[in-house]
Amino acid sequence: AQSVTQPDIHITVSEGASLELRCNYSYGATPYLFWYVQSPGQGLQLLLKYFSGDTLVQGIKGFEAEFKRSQSSFNLRKPSVHWSDAAEYFCAVGARASGTYKYIFGTGTRLKVLA
Amino acid sequence: DVKVTQSSRYLVKRTGEKVFLECVQDMDHENMFWYRQDPGLGLRLIYFSYDVKMKEKGDIPEGYSVSREKKERFSLILESASTNQTSMYLCASSYRGPGGSPLHFGNGTRLTVT
Repeated sequence: AQSVTQPDIHITVSEGASLELRCNYSYGATPYLFWYVQSPGQGLQLLLKYFSGDTLVQGIKGFEAEFKRSQSSFNLRKPSVHWSDAAEYFCAVGARASGTYKYIFGTGTRLKVLA
Repeated sequence: DVKVTQSSRYLVKRTGEKVFLECVQDMDHENMFWYRQDPGLGLRLIYFSYDVKMKEKGDIPEGYSVSREKKERFSLILESASTNQTSMYLCASSYRGPGGSPLHFGNGTRLTVT
């Protein structure tokens, strides 16, 4: 069965520090992978996506993610965190289902940024 | 920009009531989805639809039904609301292409069942 695991429920970093959020997936075929961000009281916004090709993908707000097939991972990174990055982050995989694709999400990682 | 609109931001309903959550998208997307979001559980798929009048169960369909009479509108129905359905409900849409088509989300409806 398809699944997504985000092992870190909470992460706290200082402003200006680097960030890495972990994501592992389980999917039999070539995965379509996503990272979304959710600010308080808002819906989810797409940060970046991986379809195929270059395993390092760039997204909005200075985020990037690296797909590693051998580790079934798609970790999100940012070199220098800003206070406005405090939010909840979700990793997701697109899985084939009933003539289309459905999207399976991890449980999320809540990021706190210290001034 | 794609706009996904959920009709209510907050709803308070009583146990046993029939509840309708409405979602409209304006980008001619074939796919529409309903998720519920609970702390520590992430987003769990309730139902999805890949075409008008088509619906498929997600991972937690029990206690819910859906309706898609028009392409732009996808309704989630709680036939008889219960307190364990108190949650944040998120609607999303996407193109029906390969699974790389990203989801576009509404801002959510926070439902409280008392």
